[in-house]
Amino acid sequence: SQQGEEDPQALSIQEGENATMNCSYKTSINNLQWYRQNSGRGLVHLILIRSNEREKHSGRLRVTLDTSKKSSSLLITASRAADTASYFCAPNSGNTGKLIFGQGTTLQVKP
Amino acid sequence: SQTIHQWPATLVQPVGSPLSLECTVEGTSNPNLYWYRQAAGRGLQLLFYSVGIGQISSEVPQNLSASRPQDRQFILSSKKLLLSDSGFYLCAWGGAGRGSNIQYFGAGTRLSVL
Repeated sequence: SQQGEEDPQALSIQEGENATMNCSYKTSINNLQWYRQNSGRGLVHLILIRSNEREKHSGRLRVTLDTSKKSSSLLITASRAADTASYFCAPNSGNTGKLIFGQGTTLQVKP
Repeated sequence: SQTIHQWPATLVQPVGSPLSLECTVEGTSNPNLYWYRQAAGRGLQLLFYSVGIGQISSEVPQNLSASRPQDRQFILSSKKLLLSDSGFYLCAWGGAGRGSNIQYFGAGTRLSVL
């Protein structure tokens, strides 16, 4: 598998605003996953989007995938202080089971 | 349901001392198992992964080793810790054969080498 690169590195917004973070990768994928990490905790899987899907929703999360641009975005709508965390993408291009995580986007939601 | 246990939560060790971190998974069989390290404010670095008992793949040369003595047990070890071994260590399980490669993480061990 390959490493995704998240952008921006850091994002600070007010509660209620939407947060958008992006992920770019380099080679073709089977699927792309997004994870969240609260400070000092393990990662939690949020959503998986397959290469033949363009958009996927889960609650307040919306993920898009553009395979022609080799990019994905994660949108969190109506953000809450509890959404404060780091978010990582993991493009998966093989069957080895390995995921390579990037540096992540650190999101701060101010109450 | 599946659960993953990782301990201890925090550990302070002197330079040159040995290390043993343990990770166990319940509720699944033949999982892929992973050890990651995360430096402060940084991303995750994959250290080792295992697709079965006794099968260990090392991703980066380092002062650490891993073993998988049982199907759902994964151990991270060092004979002599270095200052650079400090960090947040995460164990995870997943399954390539399950078609999605989703990984499930433990709560992590914060290691400080002094």
